[in-house]
Amino acid sequence: EPEVTQTPSHQVTQMGQEVILRCVPISNHLYFYWYRQILGQKVEFLVSFYNNEISEKSEIFDDQFSVERPDGSNFTLKIRSTKLEDSAMYFCASRGGLFSSYEQYFGPGTRLTVT
Amino acid sequence: QKEVEQNSGPLSVPEGAIASLNCTYSDRGSQSFFWYRQYSGKSPELIMSIYSNGDKEDGRFTAQLNKASQYVSLLIRDSQPSDSATYLCAVASGGSYIPTFGRGTSLIVHP
Repeated sequence: EPEVTQTPSHQVTQMGQEVILRCVPISNHLYFYWYRQILGQKVEFLVSFYNNEISEKSEIFDDQFSVERPDGSNFTLKIRSTKLEDSAMYFCASRGGLFSSYEQYFGPGTRLTVT
Repeated sequence: QKEVEQNSGPLSVPEGAIASLNCTYSDRGSQSFFWYRQYSGKSPELIMSIYSNGDKEDGRFTAQLNKASQYVSLLIRDSQPSDSATYLCAVASGGSYIPTFGRGTSLIVHP
């Protein structure tokens, strides 16, 4: 069964450093998303991406965040200058095309620890 | 502000019983409703989606939707210890269909 994959599973970085989180969505999906979940809290939407551009972003997704689809398979989230409060699980999700269901499938996540 | 409310629990049920998980939402324009299961330290795993009023069954799971009451529930029949997890309700409006998640209800199924 196709699945979303994410690397790395755990990333430790120092405050102020840049990190890139990587995702490979399900191959025939067209919509891609990043979410984060701070320990013990809700899953929060960051950004959605369709047709090679951001379609929607939340207030959390400020100028320190960016997303990119550098090739036909990868989808990345970059955090330019990490802060302690960026420590969280980051989940990538994808869903199908225009006429498919609205169900999103999540990857296993990347645990980001900022020290 | 779109809100999705769930009782945090824990909800404790004996093995073999029916577990009933509830969720209310604030946005009357919501059109898509999802239940995810999340084991500790893992990612959300989609269990079911429901889009119309009424019941939708899939194996041991039944989702129930009442848009007039802005209420969605998940029933788990014949609960197993492996069902012990946090169950997340997610609700999406038309247009972007980006779900807002509730905090989740912790379910414990004891042998």
